[in-house]
Amino acid sequence: RKEVEQDPGPFNVPEGATVAFNCTYSNSASQSFFWYRQDCRKEPKLLMSVYSSGNEDGRFTAQLNRASQYISLLIRDSKLSDSATYLCVVNMAGGSQGNLIFGKGTKLSVKP
Amino acid sequence: NAGVTQTPKFQVLKTGQSMTLQCAQDMNHNSMYWYRQDPGMGLRLIYYSASEGTTDKGEVPNGYNVSRLNKREFSLRLESAAPSQTSVYFCATSVQTRSYEQYFGPGTRLTVT
Repeated sequence: RKEVEQDPGPFNVPEGATVAFNCTYSNSASQSFFWYRQDCRKEPKLLMSVYSSGNEDGRFTAQLNRASQYISLLIRDSKLSDSATYLCVVNMAGGSQGNLIFGKGTKLSVKP
Repeated sequence: NAGVTQTPKFQVLKTGQSMTLQCAQDMNHNSMYWYRQDPGMGLRLIYYSASEGTTDKGEVPNGYNVSRLNKREFSLRLESAAPSQTSVYFCATSVQTRSYEQYFGPGTRLTVT
């Protein structure tokens, strides 16, 4: 089983739609979870950390299910500017805790 | 603040040539990382430096060397470039806190012919 798995998409949605991305991770000892956003030909940028209780930042909601080793990102009222690739990221438990494992990303395209 | 800077932005090498990719940060972060990103492969860790004076191998270290010159700078060297090293290279930094979020430079696009 790969360490961090995501549906590669692409997800093509109209403006204003709600879209959800899912991610599973294999190491049950992982402690830190993130969603990063990567625009075409740009560097990844931290979108939000994911906390055990779930957290919200404006139109974005992230949830963590440790029992199922599952992370989700919900985007409400999609904007054209949300078009990007969304990377699920998990820290590597054991060894250097600062090392992160990146999923391959889910591509989102928001259409007018 | 510039954050994380990388030079050069683009580079074309011939097989067998050497080069050094430079990374500098003004975020006062302890840890620095080098990744490569290939289509369909996601980001893969090449080397990292948890703190000044230490370096360790990541997932794909073969063909690369690194130097943590000081707290601000972390360089990646290709001694004898191969076409398989054609990729986009990202440097990242993190402050070694409990959450470990990383901040990336703009990347270097390297083509080896």
